This record gives sequence, structure tokens and C-alpha cells, in this order.
Amino acid sequence: DAGVTQSPTHLIKTRGQQVTLRCSPKSGHDTVSWYQQALGQGPQFIFQYYEEEERQRGNFPDRFSGHQFPNYSSELNVNALLLGDSALYLCASRRRDLMNTEAFFGQGTRLTVV
Amino acid sequence: AQSVTQPDIHITVSEGASLELRCNYSYGATPYLFWYVQSPGQGLQLLLKYFSGDTLVQGIKGFEAEFKRSQSSFNLRKPSVHWSDAAEYFCAVGAWVDYKLSFGAGTTVTVRA
Repeated sequence: DAGVTQSPTHLIKTRGQQVTLRCSPKSGHDTVSWYQQALGQGPQFIFQYYEEEERQRGNFPDRFSGHQFPNYSSELNVNALLLGDSALYLCASRRRDLMNTEAFFGQGTRLTVV
Repeated sequence: AQSVTQPDIHITVSEGASLELRCNYSYGATPYLFWYVQSPGQGLQLLLKYFSGDTLVQGIKGFEAEFKRSQSSFNLRKPSVHWSDAAEYFCAVGAWVDYKLSFGAGTTVTVRA
């Protein structure tokens, strides 16, 4: 089992550009959540996808959008990048129908905006 | 709204000494509680979790945590730390319904020889 995989591992973008980050959930998992972790801070919830729809959203602007595909993999898109978007972006997956189970996190994508 | 407070930003402990990391949460119902560890530049590894039942939970790497509802706390402990325990530790709270996790700001643990 490969666990949660994210790509790319590192990325450098220029202010104003757009970026797409990718996440493949752990085998058997159908729910994907995205988190932003700025340097020196705890992860902040961005949004959650289930059945290809956004189900929950944290306090992030509309520049942050996502998608979930039929195979449960997910993308996070960020438009009009700002310097403040530089962070580690973490993807987490779980099986929605199981209670008392934890979310599994990927290794993250380190985004640097210059 | 749910929230987590980790009062200690940085803790230094000697190898072999005991460790306790504090976590206080705010949540309107019975919470799911977690402790994660993160090494530099890495993702989050789950140390332990509390969903219900016994309030003292055992985790990996010799860690344990105790859920105290009256104090809204979920403190993490380890009797004897190893140099490899140096890392960032995060406490998180969530609910099974939406599973939106709220994390504390983290506690950095430094282990001295």
C-alpha cells in the first residue's frame, strides 16, 4: 500500500501565476482533504472532497479551488499566487463510511512563491 | 468553533528524561483528538488518537495521552525520550461527521544528550 501520495514534492512559482497540486489517496479511501501549513504554524484546513464535490471549506479565498476525480484522486488549484501562499500543502485521506478511523497524510508539496 | 491551544512553543528535554506536551481544545461536542509528529520538511505521522472509551490511550513510539473532559485537555507523555523524538508535535481536534481537523500551532521538542 503506497499510502497517500502527493506530487510534485517541491515547486517554485512566480507571483500571479497559477499552480496545480495533486493527491492520490490511500487505497480504499474516498474522502480527500487539503491543508495549508505555513512555516512555523500548524496545518489549516482548506477544503474536503467526497463524491467529487466540495463538502467542507475552511477560511480560504476563492483563489483556492479543487477537484476530485472518479478514482478519488484530487487536485488543488491556486490562482493569482501571492507571496503568502508559500507553504507546505498537505493532503489527507480517509474512508468516509467508517467511524473511529483516522486520516492519513501525505508527505506534502512545498510551494514557494517568488 | 473548534480550536486547539498548545501553550508550549518549544521544550528542551534531556535524553532519557520524561516528556509532557500540553494540549487544550475547544469543541462543542465529544471530540476526536489526535497527536501528530512532524520531522523537518515531512508530512504528519499519527502518534495516537482518541475517539471514545478509555481516556488513557497508547500510541506508537512509547507515547501515551490522557483525555480529560473536565479540563478540555489531551496531554501527550513519554516516560523516557530518545534523541530521535526531536521533532514538531501537533495536537488536533475534529468530529467524525465532517472530519475537519483543527490543529494547534505545534510544540518543537529538542532533545539534548
